[in-house]
Amino acid sequence: DAGITQSPRYKITETGRQVTLMCHQTWSHSYMFWYRQDLGHGLRLIYYSAAADITDKGEVPDGYVVSRSKTENFPLTLESATRSQTSVYFCASSEAPRGSGETQYFGPGTRLLVL
Amino acid sequence: AQSVTQPDIHITVSEGASLELRCNYSYGATPYLFWYVQSPGQGLQLLLKYFSGDTLVQGIKGFEAEFKRSQSSFNLRKPSVHWSDAAEYFCAVEGGATNKLIFGTGTLLAVQP
Repeated sequence: DAGITQSPRYKITETGRQVTLMCHQTWSHSYMFWYRQDLGHGLRLIYYSAAADITDKGEVPDGYVVSRSKTENFPLTLESATRSQTSVYFCASSEAPRGSGETQYFGPGTRLLVL
Repeated sequence: AQSVTQPDIHITVSEGASLELRCNYSYGATPYLFWYVQSPGQGLQLLLKYFSGDTLVQGIKGFEAEFKRSQSSFNLRKPSVHWSDAAEYFCAVEGGATNKLIFGTGTLLAVQP
């Protein structure tokens, strides 16, 4: 299916384990983003990428790692999961020059529980 | 730094009643402004956005929003709410060179029959 997909949709893991959340988009959008959504905080940007092999930190990058070897994929890895990383994670993509206000398209989210 | 405030955490309206969700922003210039909706268990869907020009913006699902520079506001409105509008609504502002969206904390809308 075309669009932006995330996998898994639900994940339960234990403290200290490594977890990778996958994001795939079929539009060949240049920009991709990872957000986490927590009650009382709205969505906060974790990392973003302007193109393949170009990534940068957002508001809350600590404890996360990203890579972007291919334009269509933008995996997010929690190297050693902590309970504070229990959240809903959204991936988004956008085809835009910087600062153009182009729409970001969101995936369905991954609900992660760290025990 | 830019920021977005949604002062109402939770709003309940009756089906058929009008709706206004408030959004205030802080930004040095005229930002790009967005309203997104998130239905339960779903991702975010764009309702509408403002770039420039006409300050009254029409969106999908019968929603509209008005940009008021003097009040730094971008309130979302709908003349007659349907039960299917029950969801969480996020206002967002974007600006600067990094194309980063800054989201408000959301307003949860409940619709009474």
